[in-house]
Amino acid sequence: GIQVEQSPPDLILQEGANSTLRCNFSDSVNNLQWFHQNPWGQLINLFYIPSGTKQNGRLSATTVATERYSLLYISSSQTTDSGVYFCAVRNTGGFKTIFGAGTRLFVKA
Amino acid sequence: DTAVSQTPKYLVTQMGNDKSIKCEQNLGHDTMYWYKQDSKKFLKIMFSYNNKELIINETVPNRFSPKSPDKAHLNLHINSLELGDSAVYFCASSQDRQGLQYFGAGTRLSVL
Repeated sequence: GIQVEQSPPDLILQEGANSTLRCNFSDSVNNLQWFHQNPWGQLINLFYIPSGTKQNGRLSATTVATERYSLLYISSSQTTDSGVYFCAVRNTGGFKTIFGAGTRLFVKA
Repeated sequence: DTAVSQTPKYLVTQMGNDKSIKCEQNLGHDTMYWYKQDSKKFLKIMFSYNNKELIINETVPNRFSPKSPDKAHLNLHINSLELGDSAVYFCASSQDRQGLQYFGAGTRLSVL
């Protein structure tokens, strides 16, 4: 089945810093989502981005489907950005969503 | 109004008991899912229903049985609970089999 790898596994930032999270996948996909799981456990949709670039405030994401990776950019990080960021993909022709292991982000005040 | 709601939010029970978790979505979606998140935060799909029909059934012990009485509801019943069943269980829904998924708040199950 499709493999999903996220990097880095852990990230500590000073408030105000920028960061890039990466998601590599091993097969073609027709669905890719980025989620933020906050410290209370809630999974929040960030982007639905099987290809192209999207921006939402301080966050933006780019997926290069032909090269099988997606990037999540966080600019001017805030303490409320802390949590785990997951990439989830569904391979073309499939119905099962596979999650990466996540990137654990801690933003220090 | 919560789009995908799960009850209960917390569930603490003894080994060997039977328990159910309920999920309802008010988004008009055709497809619903159950995921399990283990202690290391790893999320894995368990089941998926599309228009009340089971379309994904991962390698899950048959003590777990999903039931979809209608498109808006997907419940999870667990028989003979074991210590290893302790986890957070998430319900999700999407417009169709390929669409954007929306998650409920999760049910934290602790088996003692």
